[in-house]
Amino acid sequence: GIQVEQSPPDLILQEGANSTLRCNFSDSVNNLQWFHQNPWGQLINLFYIPSGTKQNGRLSATTVATERYSLLYISSSQTTDSGVYFCAVERSNYQLIWGAGTKLIIKP
Amino acid sequence: DAMVIQNPRYQVTQFGKPVTLSCSQTLNHNVMYWYQQKSSQAPKLLFHYYDKDFNNEADTPDNFQSRRPNTSFCFLDIRSPGLGDAAMYLCATSRDRVETQYFGPGTRLLVL
Repeated sequence: GIQVEQSPPDLILQEGANSTLRCNFSDSVNNLQWFHQNPWGQLINLFYIPSGTKQNGRLSATTVATERYSLLYISSSQTTDSGVYFCAVERSNYQLIWGAGTKLIIKP
Repeated sequence: DAMVIQNPRYQVTQFGKPVTLSCSQTLNHNVMYWYQQKSSQAPKLLFHYYDKDFNNEADTPDNFQSRRPNTSFCFLDIRSPGLGDAAMYLCATSRDRVETQYFGPGTRLLVL
């Protein structure tokens, strides 16, 4: 089956720093979603981005489907950005295949 | 605001005692999902409903059942909880398959 790898697994930054999270997938996909899970467990969908670039405030994402990767950019990090960022892909049915996540800690 | 609601937020049950978790949505989405998430892991899909059509994942234990009496509500029944079933249970919805999924806050289950 399709493999989803996220890097780095852990990231610790000072408030105000920028970061780039990466998601590689092993086969072509129909869609790709980025999620943020806060320390209390709430999962929020950040982007639905099978290809191209999208921006939402300080966050942006780019998926290069032909090269099988996606990047999530976080600029001017805030402590509320802390949590786990998941990438999930869907190939040929309804099921999302999830990466293991990147745990981000933003220090004040 | 339209949203996905899960009750209770925390549930404590005894080993082998049936427990029911509930999920409701005001988004009027066709698809509702139940995920299990254990510590430091990604969510694992247990099953989903496309409208009234139930779809079980092949590796979901028989101990887990689900009901969707109407569009707005979906229930997760754990018939005989074991210690290994302690986890966060997440409900999600999407307008259709292969669309953005919206998650509830989760129910954290503790089995004593």
